[in-house]
Amino acid sequence: AQSVTQLDSQVPVFEEAPVELRCNYSSSVSVYLFWYVQYPNQGLQLLLKYLSGSTLVESINGFEAEFNKSQTSFHLRKPSVHISDTAEYFCAVTRSNDYKLSFGAGTTVTVRA
Amino acid sequence: GAVVSQHPSRVICKSGTSVKIECRSLDFQATTMFWYRQFPKQSLMLMATSNEGSKATYEQGVEKDKFLINHASLTLSTLTVTSAHPEDSSFYICSARVSYEAFFGQGTRLTVV
Repeated sequence: AQSVTQLDSQVPVFEEAPVELRCNYSSSVSVYLFWYVQYPNQGLQLLLKYLSGSTLVESINGFEAEFNKSQTSFHLRKPSVHISDTAEYFCAVTRSNDYKLSFGAGTTVTVRA
Repeated sequence: GAVVSQHPSRVICKSGTSVKIECRSLDFQATTMFWYRQFPKQSLMLMATSNEGSKATYEQGVEKDKFLINHASLTLSTLTVTSAHPEDSSFYICSARVSYEAFFGQGTRLTVV
């Protein structure tokens, strides 16, 4: 079985401040790791993913996440947030053997001016 | 990336009626699609796996006679909420997978009055 834990349910942050969203997982097989963003009344959009290779992955809008195998973590960071980053963020893992997808509970990021 | 289109985005129906939600893969063929339900401020709950040309696989606790799934072609899966009641009001999201990566529809907000 696999599980995904997002340690923070809500993260309020001021505009231009840094933000970190924590994600830990457990799995008996190797996994692929994803971060999705969901805006109100919309589906999920892929933010970034880790498959293999460099443990630091970046998105086009300034987010980055680092895969830490020893700590089984995949934390998401952004050095300076915008109001438009207000959204729900989901960490997800897919098992490499059967592609079964599991989601964390989500983290609500609210950016204030 | 692959595009998944879901329709309608919002629907309001009367209690006791049935509602059909469509999920289409626009630029790829999807032998398997997934249907999720999302309650406010919560993560996605997998309801069922839709398999082209065969019966859907439902998760434990999901009523297959209430949530009818049909996957008649490689690009279309439908979810029909039969005899809808107010407790069926929710946000429904479909997804299709290309290898290890999932792509999501825009979601459907169902309100049963």
